[in-house]
Formats: sequence, C-alpha cells, structure tokens
Amino acid sequence: EAGVVQSPRYKIIEKKQPVAFWCNPISGHNTLYWYLQNLGQGPELLIRYENEEAVDDSQLPKDRFSAERLKGVDSTLKIQPAELGDSAVYLCASSQGLALNTGELFFGEGSRLTVL
Amino acid sequence: AQSVTQPDIHITVSEGASLELRCNYSYGATPYLFWYVQSPGQGLQLLLKYFSGDTLVQGIKGFEAEFKRSQSSFNLRKPSVHWSDAAEYFCAVGARGNEKLTFGTGTRLTIIP
Repeated sequence: EAGVVQSPRYKIIEKKQPVAFWCNPISGHNTLYWYLQNLGQGPELLIRYENEEAVDDSQLPKDRFSAERLKGVDSTLKIQPAELGDSAVYLCASSQGLALNTGELFFGEGSRLTVL
Repeated sequence: AQSVTQPDIHITVSEGASLELRCNYSYGATPYLFWYVQSPGQGLQLLLKYFSGDTLVQGIKGFEAEFKRSQSSFNLRKPSVHWSDAAEYFCAVGARGNEKLTFGTGTRLTIIP
C-alpha cells in the first residue's frame, strides 16, 4: 500500500515568490492534515480536513497561506507571498477517520522549503 | 491548553545499552499519548500509543512506554538499542473530542558503537 505522497521534496525560492505543495493521502483516508515543522521543533497543525471540508484552520495564517482539498482526496497548500520565516518543513498526514479514535496519523516525508 | 515537554534535546547511548526518553505532558483530563519516530529524510512513524487500560504499552521495534498519571509522564524505553534506532523521537498528546495533537520539541538520539 502506498503511503502519503508529497511533492516537491525540496523547494528553494526568493522571498515574495509564491510556492505550492501537493499531498496525496493514503487511499481511503478521509482526514487530511497539514503540519508545519520548524527546525528543532515538533510539528504544529496548520489545517485539518475531513473529506473536502476544512474543519480546523485556526492555526493557518490566512493572509498568505491557503489550502484546498478538492474532491476530498489530494490537497494543495499554497503560500503567497513567501517570507523568510516560512522556511520550514511542511508535512502532510492522513488518517482513516479521526486520528484520536483510530490512534494513528500517517505522515508523508515532507516538503522542505527554503526562502532566500 | 495541552502541552508536552521533552526535557532532553539530544541523547547519546552506546549500541546495546538501554534507553529512556522522557516526556511530560500537561492536560486536565485523561490524555491520549503517543510516541513518534522520525528518521532522517523520512516522515514520522507511530511507535506506540496510550488511550486507556494497561499503563505499560508495547510498541513496534521493541519499544515500550509507561503512563504515570501521578508524574504526568509517558517515558519511552528500550532495553537494548540498535544503530538503526538513531533518529528524532517525538512525544505527543491529544484528547477525545479535540483532534489537535500537540507535539513536543523532540529528542535526537545518537547511537555510538
């Protein structure tokens, strides 16, 4: 069974440029998460989807970040414009139902963003 | 608000030695507790979880953890580490009805021959 797939793995951009990250969750997983992981820190939730609905986006900086999950499968996270402080790893995860019922999040390998 | 503290940023142990990674949590009710491992260039992988019941939890790769409510701790242990255990370990806490999983800052484990 394929795991959570993210692309690109690495992205280097100039500040003020836009960037987008793509995530394909495990087949059948209706809950999808985007996490931000700064260097030396644990992951922090940005947004959670149940199917195509964003049910928790309280931590998403909405002035420059946006996300979508069309048809309740793949998801895209966008930053426009990027700032130096956005340099981090962006992790996508999925679960079958609510993770705290099933007990497990499955994470992708992450997309490492460097903003120059 | 729930929080997790991993007091050890970096731990070095010899291959074959025992290991204990510390995790303290703060949460008003009964927490759901997790340990995840992140190998270099890899995504996080669940090692074990505690929801209720037996406070000693067995996980994958020979790891175990013990929930101690009186100490608000959920320490991870392994009796004999292997070089392949070198990675970053994250403790996390959540609660039923609140899907937000809060992670600690991680402990980096180095294994020496």
